[in-house]
Amino acid sequence: RKEVEQDPGPFNVPEGATVAFNCTYSNSASQSFFWYRQDCRKEPKLLMSVYSSGNEDGRFTAQLNRASQYISLLIRDSKLSDSATYLCVVRAAGNKLTFGGGTRVLVKP
Amino acid sequence: GAGVSQTPSNKVTEKGKYVELRCDPISGHTALYWYRQSLGQGPEFLIYFQGTGAADDSGLPNDRFFAVRPEGSVSTLKIQRTERGDSAVYLCASSEGAGAEAFFGQGTRLTVV
Repeated sequence: RKEVEQDPGPFNVPEGATVAFNCTYSNSASQSFFWYRQDCRKEPKLLMSVYSSGNEDGRFTAQLNRASQYISLLIRDSKLSDSATYLCVVRAAGNKLTFGGGTRVLVKP
Repeated sequence: GAGVSQTPSNKVTEKGKYVELRCDPISGHTALYWYRQSLGQGPEFLIYFQGTGAADDSGLPNDRFFAVRPEGSVSTLKIQRTERGDSAVYLCASSEGAGAEAFFGQGTRLTVV
């Protein structure tokens, strides 16, 4: 089993709609969690950190469920510019950052 | 300010040759990571430095791969006897320390022919 798993998608989303997807992790001792965004042939960039209480940044909401070992990302009012690959990242106790395989989102007019 | 810089941006080499990939982290960042990313995959962890020492090198695929960071700043990833399967984008990231956001360079696209 991979340490961090994501549905590769693609999630085809009509512009203005809401899309949500999860990421599961296997190491129960994982300490911190992030969502990164990666555009085609570009480097990953931090979208948001994920806090235990859940957090929101504009149209983006991230949740953490430690009991079931998953994190989620929800995008409201999707824009064409939200089309990208979303990478789930988990930091273990030794500070190693492990990436999931990414979830591809395509927002269409 | 300057971000993470990786050189070269592209490298084409012949099978069996030796290559060095360089990473200049953001000034003052103590943590430095190397990843490898193949098309359609997420970044695969290779090695993590805290200062000058390799804190975790569990991702290096075999002994052809080696990385150094002698002064706790610039890092070099070295690949000996390259194979076609080594072709990928090699990404470097740095962060201020444990728990901080990691910033990525634009990567080095390595092609082994």
